[in-house]
Amino acid sequence: DAGVIQSPRHEVTEMGQEVTLRCKPISGHNSLFWYRQTMMRGLELLIYFNNNVPIDDSGMPEDRFSAKMPNASFSTLKIQPSEPRDSAVYFCASSLSTGAREQYFGPGTRLTVT
Amino acid sequence: QKEVEQNSGPLSVPEGAIASLNCTYSDRVSQSFFWYRQYSGKSPELIMSIYSNGDKEDGRFTAQLNKASQYVSLLIRDSQPSDSATYLCAVMEAYKYIFGTGTRLKVLA
Repeated sequence: DAGVIQSPRHEVTEMGQEVTLRCKPISGHNSLFWYRQTMMRGLELLIYFNNNVPIDDSGMPEDRFSAKMPNASFSTLKIQPSEPRDSAVYFCASSLSTGAREQYFGPGTRLTVT
Repeated sequence: QKEVEQNSGPLSVPEGAIASLNCTYSDRVSQSFFWYRQYSGKSPELIMSIYSNGDKEDGRFTAQLNKASQYVSLLIRDSQPSDSATYLCAVMEAYKYIFGTGTRLKVLA
């Protein structure tokens, strides 16, 4: 079975450019999470969707960050304009919203903003 | 005060030994606990989940939960060099996972 799919795997961009990260959750999972991981701050939850609806975006660092989930099989995280401090690994994870709620992570997108 | 605390390590153990990783948490109402393994440059991989007090065994891994003392641990028996990784403890609060900063384990051949 396919796990969580993320693209691109690596992104290098210049400060001020728009960046869009993509995620396809595990089929049948109805909860989706976007995380950011840095050495300094560890793994931080950015936003949580349940049944395609954003439930908690309190972790989104500022208005430059936005996320959408137009359907059950696709989500995007957009940064506009990007800044060097946004450089990090961005992970998408999915789970069921009932039962064990075990989260499964995608391979991540390593973002470098120069 | 951090909500989920782990010793950052590195924890070095010889091959074949038992590695013991510990995690404490602050939210008394938490009911679900998870251990993830993360190799350098890779994504976190779920290796154990535990929901009840006591021990849960899966192969060489044993998770231990003590809700009264608010700690959860992971034992790795017969440690192998391939177990060298960072181990993340996660505690579920409502729908959120709260992650610790991870313990780096080094298994010496």
